[in-house]
Amino acid sequence: GQQLNQSPQSMFIQEGEDVSMNCTSSSIFNTWLWYKQDPGEGPVLLIALYKAGELTSNGRLTAQFGITRKDSFLNISASIPSDVGIYFCAGHANFGNEKLTFGTGTRLTIIP
Amino acid sequence: ETGVTQSPTHLIKTRGQQVTLRCSSQSGHNTVSWYQQALGQGPQFIFQYYREEENGRGNFPPRFSGLQFPNYSSELNVNALELDDSALYLCASSRTSGRATDTQYFGPGTRLTVL
Repeated sequence: GQQLNQSPQSMFIQEGEDVSMNCTSSSIFNTWLWYKQDPGEGPVLLIALYKAGELTSNGRLTAQFGITRKDSFLNISASIPSDVGIYFCAGHANFGNEKLTFGTGTRLTIIP
Repeated sequence: ETGVTQSPTHLIKTRGQQVTLRCSSQSGHNTVSWYQQALGQGPQFIFQYYREEENGRGNFPPRFSGLQFPNYSSELNVNALELDDSALYLCASSRTSGRATDTQYFGPGTRLTVL
């Protein structure tokens, strides 16, 4: 099935560093979402973006909906140990919003 | 407010068997979507249920079927299990009004292992 292209695939950073990851698509999406998934758990919604160009923050997290509607990025500032996990971008390609298409995931590891 | 719940947590089946997974939607939500997540992959959309009918389907064969009940809870049924069906099955609930569905919130998943 179709998946969004997400990069990087994995990141190894030190506590306190900033993190940036992005997601691209060959087609237009009407909604972009960012989820975090811990091992053995379901994805937890972090940020939802509904309009091209929108920049939204949630605490130390900031995400943007690209102007072309074909990309989005997520930044995490001043990383802490609980940020460890897999981050997925996801989007709705149609206005009915029934199907979420997910990215391939970015695994974030914090080096002590 | 109760979140999305799924049962069972884990399940082991053998090839050819049938399985039923269950999902209770979050309070106030009327729509349930099911996803399959293979190890190391992002979730893949199976189908969505709204008003007790299938409302959109991904690229999955007919042996994947579902139901939605009047209380908005849902079941995912998989017949003739194959080894490749081993995955985490995620249920997400959302609210549909008019033609649009709001943001989907996920349950913890059911880990299915097919031997």
